[in-house]
Amino acid sequence: GENVEQHPSTLSVQEGDSAVIKCTYSDSASNYFPWYKQELGKRPQLIIDIRSNVGEKKDQRIAVTLNKTAKHFSLHITETQPEDSAVYFCAARSTGGGNKLTFGTGTQLKVEL
Amino acid sequence: DTEVTQTPKHLVMGMTNKKSLKCEQHMGHRAMYWYKQKAKKPPELMFVYSYEKLSINESVPSRFSPECPNSSLLNLHLHALQPEDSALYLCASTSGVGPSYEQYFGPGTRLTVT
Repeated sequence: GENVEQHPSTLSVQEGDSAVIKCTYSDSASNYFPWYKQELGKRPQLIIDIRSNVGEKKDQRIAVTLNKTAKHFSLHITETQPEDSAVYFCAARSTGGGNKLTFGTGTQLKVEL
Repeated sequence: DTEVTQTPKHLVMGMTNKKSLKCEQHMGHRAMYWYKQKAKKPPELMFVYSYEKLSINESVPSRFSPECPNSSLLNLHLHALQPEDSALYLCASTSGVGPSYEQYFGPGTRLTVT
């Protein structure tokens, strides 16, 4: 089955700096890669996703890049703000895995003033 | 309506109790999911329903029993739970049955087993 590794587990940045979170996946048949943001006590919220036919996608201060050859994808947050502080999860879904999303272990992002 | 709703928000139950969690979506989504999430961990898949039929059971103990009465509703029946079953239970849905559909989560039910 699919295995997703996520790094770093914690990330602390100064407000206004950029943050990068990286994930690798094992199943070359995976073709959908969402990112979720989860604030304390809240639901995971889909913030951006990318499909395997695209190398990069951007939405305001958030971007995701995908390298299918290396089987890794990354989340980039620019001009970080305190409200970006949360746990971020990457995930991957394989064509052979039914509807199952495999999640990374999460990154606790802290944006300091 | 782009929301998945869950009730109750919080539930405290004893190990001999029987209770149910409810999930509802009115987006016409055809796949629905139950996840269990422990603090600081990723959601852990329990069950998947596709077109109202159980398609994935991740070897979940029989004290958890899912039910999908119709395309908008998903229940999780709980019986004889253990304290280690205390967690946030999340429901989710996707518009289609396939790998590239966006998955949306409900707010969750915080379950405490005493």
